[in-house]
Amino acid sequence: AQSVAQPEDQVNVAEGNPLTVKCTYSVSGNPYLFWYVQYPNRGLQFLLKYITGDNLVKGSYGFEAEFNKSQTSFHLKKPSALVSDSALYFCAVRDSNYQLIWGAGTKLIIKP
Amino acid sequence: DGGITQSPKYLFRKEGQNVTLSCEQNLNHDAMYWYRQDPGQGLRLIYYSQIVNDFQKGDIAEGYSVSREKKESFPLTVTSAQKNPTAFYLCASSNFGTSETDTQYFGPGTRLTVL
Repeated sequence: AQSVAQPEDQVNVAEGNPLTVKCTYSVSGNPYLFWYVQYPNRGLQFLLKYITGDNLVKGSYGFEAEFNKSQTSFHLKKPSALVSDSALYFCAVRDSNYQLIWGAGTKLIIKP
Repeated sequence: DGGITQSPKYLFRKEGQNVTLSCEQNLNHDAMYWYRQDPGQGLRLIYYSQIVNDFQKGDIAEGYSVSREKKESFPLTVTSAQKNPTAFYLCASSNFGTSETDTQYFGPGTRLTVL
C-alpha cells in the first residue's frame, strides 16, 4: 500500500541549532515527494519537491531535503533554526493516480 | 496563499443545514482540489477536478458535493448527510493534475463548525 509516515508528532529544537523533520514513504514506482509548511489557521505553503536528479533538494526559507532511496526517506532539514520556523510540517508523496498521499504532520517548535 | 481565495474564513452551521464553501483561483490552473483537515491527521481528499465540467470523488466524498462550471471556481457543498462536518477545509489548485511534476498550491482555508 502507498503511504507516508512522519514518525514524530513534535520536534523541539533550540534556535540556531540544526533541525530535521523526518519522513518515510512507501510507493510503487518512482517517488515524487513534497514538503509543505502550515502556520496556525492558514493554508499550506509549498516548500520543496523531489522529482528526479540530485538527492539534495533546496527549497524556500533556507530549507532543504535529502532523498534516500535505499531508506525510502525524504527528511527535511535546515542548518540553523529560527523561532519563525515554528509551524506544522507535512510530507506528501504522489500516488499512481497523480494524487497526493499526506503524512499526519509534525509540529516543529523552535525555542529561543 | 496567493492566487487562491476561500470564503468565508469561518462558517457556522446548524445541524441539518447545507452550506457552501467558495474557492476561486486566478492562477489559470486546470486542476482543483478540496481537502479536509482534522487535528492530528494528514489532509484527506474530498473531491478533485482536472477539467471544467468534470470532477472525481476522493477518499471521503460522502456527504459532500461539488461543481466545476468555470475553470477558476470549485465550490464545495457540505450537506446534512455529512455526519461530522466540523473541520478545516482547504482548497488547492495545480497546473494539470496529471503530471508528476505538478505542485499543488493552497488557499487560506475555511473553518467550519457545526453548532
